[in-house]
Formats: sequence, structure tokens, C-alpha cells
Amino acid sequence: DGGITQSPKYLFRKEGQNVTLSCEQNLNHDAMYWYRQDPGQGLRLIYYSQIVNDFQKGDIAEGYSVSREKKESFPLTVTSAQKNPTAFYLCASTRGQGLHQPQHFGDGTRLSIL
Amino acid sequence: GQQVMQIPQYQHVQEGEDFTTYCNSSTTLSNIQWYKQRPGGHPVFLIQLVKSGEVKKQKRLTFQFGEAKKNSSLHITATQTTDVGTYFCAGLYGNKLVFGAGTILRVKS
Repeated sequence: DGGITQSPKYLFRKEGQNVTLSCEQNLNHDAMYWYRQDPGQGLRLIYYSQIVNDFQKGDIAEGYSVSREKKESFPLTVTSAQKNPTAFYLCASTRGQGLHQPQHFGDGTRLSIL
Repeated sequence: GQQVMQIPQYQHVQEGEDFTTYCNSSTTLSNIQWYKQRPGGHPVFLIQLVKSGEVKKQKRLTFQFGEAKKNSSLHITATQTTDVGTYFCAGLYGNKLVFGAGTILRVKS
């Protein structure tokens, strides 16, 4: 079955540590996105990529970095500069490059601070 | 900046009762999408509305897009326990998709 795979499901970060969240899709979708979800808030866009080797900052990119070396993969690194990283992180993809396309989400990664 | 206000934040209904969640924007939207997130799960796309005044139905779910394309609603008729979860709207402003905070629905059987 086609879909989006996020790993790990749970992740713990120590102070001053960078951690990387994996997102892989086999839907052959062009665009991929990273969102952060906090309790009582809507999803907020961190970064997105419409084509390979290109990505754009979203609304809350500070303290995060991404890469898009392959169409299928869009890993997110939460750096030590992100002072409040505890959240649920969702990766999504769309068939086309525009945000008018329905978003397909992975199962998410829950990140906590040790 | 663009903001989508979604109300209510939380609703607890008796099984069989109806449920409605509303999304409002101060500026015109290009389109609006609706998603459902089951507890512990990820958002799943339900529907997209594009035209002014558009109404779409999916079994017991009715989605509406306002005439001015500034508001939208999702109505569930005769809720069932399988309807529990958080319902999000997401409004498209040009090339920017903004999610509402979601409405958490709990259903008592």
C-alpha cells in the first residue's frame, strides 16, 4: 500500500542535541511538508518542498532544518536552537505542487525533552 | 496575518445528537479543506470546497462554504461513537494553507 512512513514514533531529545525525524513516501507525490502540532492549536507549517533539491520556510522554521535529496524523502532536523521542541510532528505530501491539493499525512513523531 | 477561527473548541454530545463545527476567516478564502484526526492518529482529508455557497454531503456529514467564501461549517447528523476525534478546517489564502485549531468531538453512548 502506498503511504507516508514517519519514524521513529517517539523520540526523546537531550539538551543541546540535534535530532532528525524521518519521512518517506511511496506515493510518487511531488510536494512534501512538515507540520508541528501543539495541544489546542492548529497545525503550523515548518518547511515545505515542492521539488527535489528545493525547499521553502514555513511559518515557524526557526530552529529546524530540512533536506530534499530524493523525491521520496524529506527528513526534518530539530536543532538545539529550537528551545521548545516538545510537540507532535506530522509529515505530509501532495500530488501536485500547490497547497490546494489534499494533504496526505504520516502517523507522526512525538518528540519530548529529557 | 491570515487566521482561521474555529469554534467550538470542544463538544461532548450524546450518541444520536447532531454536531456542528464552524470556521471563520476575516478575509476571503480560495478554498477550504476539512480533515478528521482520530485520537492518537493523523489528520485524514475529508473534503475540499471551492465554490461560493457550495454544499457537499458525505453520508451523515454536510459541508458548507459561505457565499462570501469567508466561513464554512461541518454538520454531522445523528452522531455515532465512530465520529469521535478532532475536526480541522484549513483555509487556503493564495498559496498559504492555514489550519484552524480544531474542534474535539466526544460522543457518549
